[in-house]
Amino acid sequence: QKEVEQDPGPLSVPEGAIVSLNCTYSNSAFQYFMWYRQYSRKGPELLMYTYSSGNKEDGRFTAQVDKSSKYISLFIRDSQPSDSATYLCAMKETSGSRLTFGEGTQLTVNP
Amino acid sequence: GAVVSQHPSRVICKSGTSVKIECRSLDFQATTMFWYRQFPKQSLMLMATSNEGSKATYEQGVEKDKFLINHASLTLSTLTVTSAHPEDSSFYICSAETGQGNNSPLHFGNGTRLTVT
Repeated sequence: QKEVEQDPGPLSVPEGAIVSLNCTYSNSAFQYFMWYRQYSRKGPELLMYTYSSGNKEDGRFTAQVDKSSKYISLFIRDSQPSDSATYLCAMKETSGSRLTFGEGTQLTVNP
Repeated sequence: GAVVSQHPSRVICKSGTSVKIECRSLDFQATTMFWYRQFPKQSLMLMATSNEGSKATYEQGVEKDKFLINHASLTLSTLTVTSAHPEDSSFYICSAETGQGNNSPLHFGNGTRLTVT
């Protein structure tokens, strides 16, 4: 079983839709959670960084962490064609910096 | 925000030659840098962890004599692919910690696309 499972997609939505991206994990030592956006042929760009259960909002993006269920989500409101990219969840334990990634979800927002 | 610069962005080389990729933290000191490899439509695969002033730690299955890593300063780490072969063609990405302890997020460079002919 993989430590981090991410809904593989691909996901295709119309412009303006609300997008929900999800990851589950099995390692209870993970304490820090990140969402990255990766455009084709580019490095991952940090979108959200959270370390406690609950919601964190930044503009159109909301990261949600439920440590009791070992489940994290990223919500994108009012999605735009420029949001079309691959989204990667990542997490790490408190005692080290090594990241464990999900497999990524490819999102396409159609105008 | 924290910026990681990676150079070159793209390189084409002949089989048997060596290629050096640089990773720089531009506005912070990075005690730890990470090197990843990414195949098309796949997630990032950690190759090695690079700590300033000490030997890199390689992941299982990664040949340390083939992928030489040097982290000579707090702002620069290099990955040298030695005697490159076509199967080494891939997208290589570095990342760096912002140096705020174990609670800091990782920022990534824009990657280097290596093509070995």
